[in-house]
Amino acid sequence: QSVLTQPPSVSAAPRQKVAISCSGSGSNIGNNFVSWYQQFPGTAPKLLIYENNKRPSGIPDRFSASKSGTSATLGITGLQAGDEADYFCGTWDDILTAYVFGTGTKVTVL
Amino acid sequence: EVQLVQSGAEVKKAGEPLRISCKGSGYDFTNKWIAWVRQVPGEGLEWVGIIYPEDSDTRYSPSFRGQVTISVDNSFNTAYLQWSSLKASDTAIYYCARGDNFNPRWLQFDFWGQGTLVTVSS
Repeated sequence: QSVLTQPPSVSAAPRQKVAISCSGSGSNIGNNFVSWYQQFPGTAPKLLIYENNKRPSGIPDRFSASKSGTSATLGITGLQAGDEADYFCGTWDDILTAYVFGTGTKVTVL
Repeated sequence: EVQLVQSGAEVKKAGEPLRISCKGSGYDFTNKWIAWVRQVPGEGLEWVGIIYPEDSDTRYSPSFRGQVTISVDNSFNTAYLQWSSLKASDTAIYYCARGDNFNPRWLQFDFWGQGTLVTVSS
């Protein structure tokens, strides 16, 4: 029962684009930075985006993100088979005084 | 090279104590937060808590407060997650991760350990 809601799954054909939403509230997304994490089966999560829209070194610019109000969105363009993974948003919640992760979204490349 | 290396898989019985570890290297261990994250196989990520090694400032998720203890030993650049009495519902993979921002409200987790599978039988 996460406070951040994501769609369970999204899918698209290779070379197409997908957008993953992360919906929260004023106590979390609305007031703090959002990060995004990519996780392949059997491996640890990996930081994809931080401070709403910044990419760590080595993350291709096919991955982008934005935040508006109490929602955030991760976009993936030029979809590749290697992008099939689970994606989680995350941010601090001022009421819980804890970090919270989104429910997670599985990306499938058709 | 920044690395977080976790201790190996554990198989325990309900009621037993347990401590798992996370050793950091390749950076100044004392001035980056270390977080613990739980993941039941096939499910999502749950944030357990964080510790700032320099002063042992510790924050817990309300869901885990009182259920686990996070600690650190700066002599060994190692953080710990421990249970005094395990439950079957503690069965999960536990990851440690480095928190890259001094302010916990602005954290992102930039390096992760490989995970420790904890299996608790009833």
